[in-house]
Formats: sequence, structure tokens, C-alpha cells
Amino acid sequence: QKEVEQDPGPLSVPEGAIVSLNCTYSNSAFQYFMWYRQYSRKGPELLMYTYSSGNKEDGRFTAQVDKSSKYISLFIRDSQPSDSATYLCASTLGGSNRLAFGKGNQVVVIP
Amino acid sequence: GAVVSQHPSWVICKSGTSVKIECRSLDFQATTMFWYRQFPKQSLMLMATSNEGSKATYEQGVEKDKFLINHASLTLSTLTVTSAHPEDSSFYICSANRNTGELFFGEGSRLTVL
Repeated sequence: QKEVEQDPGPLSVPEGAIVSLNCTYSNSAFQYFMWYRQYSRKGPELLMYTYSSGNKEDGRFTAQVDKSSKYISLFIRDSQPSDSATYLCASTLGGSNRLAFGKGNQVVVIP
Repeated sequence: GAVVSQHPSWVICKSGTSVKIECRSLDFQATTMFWYRQFPKQSLMLMATSNEGSKATYEQGVEKDKFLINHASLTLSTLTVTSAHPEDSSFYICSANRNTGELFFGEGSRLTVL
């Protein structure tokens, strides 16, 4: 079983819609949870960084962690064409421990 | 702005030559950096963990003599692809941990071996 599971299926939404992305993880010791956005031919860009359960909001982006069900989510409100990218979820024990990544979701926001 | 810088962003080389890629943390010191490889439409594959002042730790299946890693200072790690072959063509990305726990990535280096 992979440490972080993310359904890689592409997701197409109309501009202005809410994008909902989800991942599950298997290691209950994971403490830190991150979402990265990766544009084509670029390195991943840290989008959201959360510790422990709860919600974190940053502009149009909301990250949600439910440690009881080992479930992490990212919501993008009022989606824009510029949000079209691949979104990767990741979890780690913390410190200098390596990240476990999901496969990534390709999101296309249609104008 | 970028907090982790990678250079070069593009490199084309002939088969059999060696290529060095640099990864720098710009505004923080990183005792640990990570090197990844990414194939088109695939997720990141961790190759090795670079430790400042000591030997790198390689993931299973990654040839340490092929992919030489040097972490000579707290802000610089280098990956050298030795005797490169076309199958080494890929997108190589480094990352570094800030002491707050956040992990930042470089912009990536696209290697094409002819």
C-alpha cells in the first residue's frame, strides 16, 4: 500500500466552480501535510502547509486534514484558468524526514 | 520569490558525458536536501537524501555511482549524472527543508542526453 493515495484522474471544471481534491494516507504518525501545485515543466510550488487536524484557509484555497480518517483535502473556490495545473498532496513525519507524495491530480479550469 | 534555486534549468549533453546540477537554498540553511526524478505525467520519485557533511542516502534501485551527490555546504547540494545515457533523460528536482518544516522545491532541471 502506498503511503499516500491520490486518484490521479484528470479533473475539468468550468471557471468559477469549486475544485475539490482529496488524498488518503496510511501512516498515522504523519504530522505535516502539504499541497503543491506544479505547472508543466516547472518544479512543485508549495501551496498549503498544515500541521495536525483542522482547516487552513489562504485566499481561495482551503486545506483540510482529518487525522481520524487519514484524509486530506484541498478546495479551490472561484477557480480560474490560471489554477490549471497538477496538484500533489504530501505528508511527512516532520523534520528532515522525506515526504510521501500522492500521484498528483491534473486540474483544468475551462474559461 | 524562490527560496530554492536550481541550475541549470535546461541541459543537453552527449551520451557518455557527465552533467552537474546545483541546488541552493537561498535564504535558509538546509542540512538536508532531497533529489527527485520525474518522468512526464508521473509523480516525483525520490532518488536520494543529501546530508550536509556526510554521505547521501540513496533510495533502493538508484545507483550511487551513477548519481553522485555532494552536499558541501549548508546551502548547496549538487547532483552529478555520470556517463549519462539517453535513458537518464528526465526532469530532476531538488528540495530543501526550512527549519519550520516546510519543504520547498527548486524549479527543476531538464536533462536531455543525445
